[in-house]
Amino acid sequence: QQQVKQSPQSLIVQKGGISIINCAYENTAFDYFPWYQQFPGKGPALLIAIRPDVSEKKEGRFTISFNKSAKQFSLHIMDSQPGDSATYFCAARGATGANNLFFGTGTRLTVIP
Amino acid sequence: DADVTQTPRNRITKTGKRIMLECSQTKGHDRMYWYRQDPGLGLRLIYYSFDVKDINKGEISDGYSVSRQAQAKFSLSLESAIPNQTALYFCATSDLGHNQETQYFGPGTRLLVL
Repeated sequence: QQQVKQSPQSLIVQKGGISIINCAYENTAFDYFPWYQQFPGKGPALLIAIRPDVSEKKEGRFTISFNKSAKQFSLHIMDSQPGDSATYFCAARGATGANNLFFGTGTRLTVIP
Repeated sequence: DADVTQTPRNRITKTGKRIMLECSQTKGHDRMYWYRQDPGLGLRLIYYSFDVKDINKGEISDGYSVSRQAQAKFSLSLESAIPNQTALYFCATSDLGHNQETQYFGPGTRLLVL
């Protein structure tokens, strides 16, 4: 059973456009929601993260929007660039102290020039 | 990625063979994790360890075992490999301190079981 549901599976965006990836969860005990970026042949790397006590977090062109009541969160990439082409994973951490992450299924983003 | 290394990077083996994947880290982190990545399924946790004497099962531990030989080394074993264990395997680490939430991933091991 997928604890974190992610969509879309793939996304093609024009350079300069906005990329939006959505995730949803059911477990209200989750207390930390990171996004990881993975380039081909590499391991995932933390991109940006948010806690459920805030509704938005922005770092440069990357923004997480968080809707606690709807149990949804999304990644927005403004002014998308070809270098942003990668696979993006949302994740959620259970509040058990174990720091275990439950990952979404991933979104392959392609930004075309 | 250079702080977390995985060997081998690619491996082909046959059904029924025992295989070990190794992970080493120079980050000085206490926590280490093994994940597998499959297309359409994302990353799933196999085992994790908080220190040398601590081993815990993750979501999908059946068919796998681990060994934490030292703070810096965490090995994953497939005692009798089967084709549905064909996947990309990642080791990750995290700290116990201020930035404990960030997990740092190695470059991955691509395993093919024939």
